[in-house]
Amino acid sequence: AQSVTQPDIHITVSEGASLELRCNYSYGATPYLFWYVQSPGQGLQLLLKYFSGDTLVQGIKGFEAEFKRSQSSFNLRKPSVHWSDAAEYFCAVGPYNFNKFYFGSGTKLNVKP
Amino acid sequence: EAGVTQFPSHSVIEKGQTVTLRCDPISGHDNLYWYRRVMGKEIKFLLHFVKESKQDESGMPNNRFLAERTGGTYSTLKVQPAELEDSGVYFCASSLGTNTGELFFGEGSRLTVL
Repeated sequence: AQSVTQPDIHITVSEGASLELRCNYSYGATPYLFWYVQSPGQGLQLLLKYFSGDTLVQGIKGFEAEFKRSQSSFNLRKPSVHWSDAAEYFCAVGPYNFNKFYFGSGTKLNVKP
Repeated sequence: EAGVTQFPSHSVIEKGQTVTLRCDPISGHDNLYWYRRVMGKEIKFLLHFVKESKQDESGMPNNRFLAERTGGTYSTLKVQPAELEDSGVYFCASSLGTNTGELFFGEGSRLTVL
């Protein structure tokens, strides 16, 4: 069965601290992986995506993610968190034609001043 | 350029009533998707339109849900009659093609069924 697990429902970090959000997936074909962010009052926005090649991908807003096939993981990282990063983050996996995505249940990030 | 817009942003109805949610995709986007998030759980796929045709409706929960996309432009999602378990946030997304993987999401329509 296809699924995405985000084990952390809530995470709180101090501004300036590093961040890692976990994502594990179960997918029966070649996975195409994504991270989306939903800021308050906005729709989901694509942060980054992995299709193939270099397993470390860079995204917008200083985020990066690393694909580890052996661990079925696609964790999101940021070296130094800003207060504006407070939002909910969703990991997703989809097929080659991107017609149907499987999303995780999201991780809410709170940033302490 | 206007983004994906959804209406209403929040709807509160009684069990048994009917609700229609509307989505206006980004102009020129042939692909339109509906997703739903229930009770803070994962966001689940409902269906996918290519222009006015339903490409995949495997995620529609049951026949109380009806989605249409008139003329390949805006889309509506009707729930009739609504049940308590239909409460959640309904997201619409659109994309220009299916080769980039990027979906553009609306803010969602929150449905509360009492």
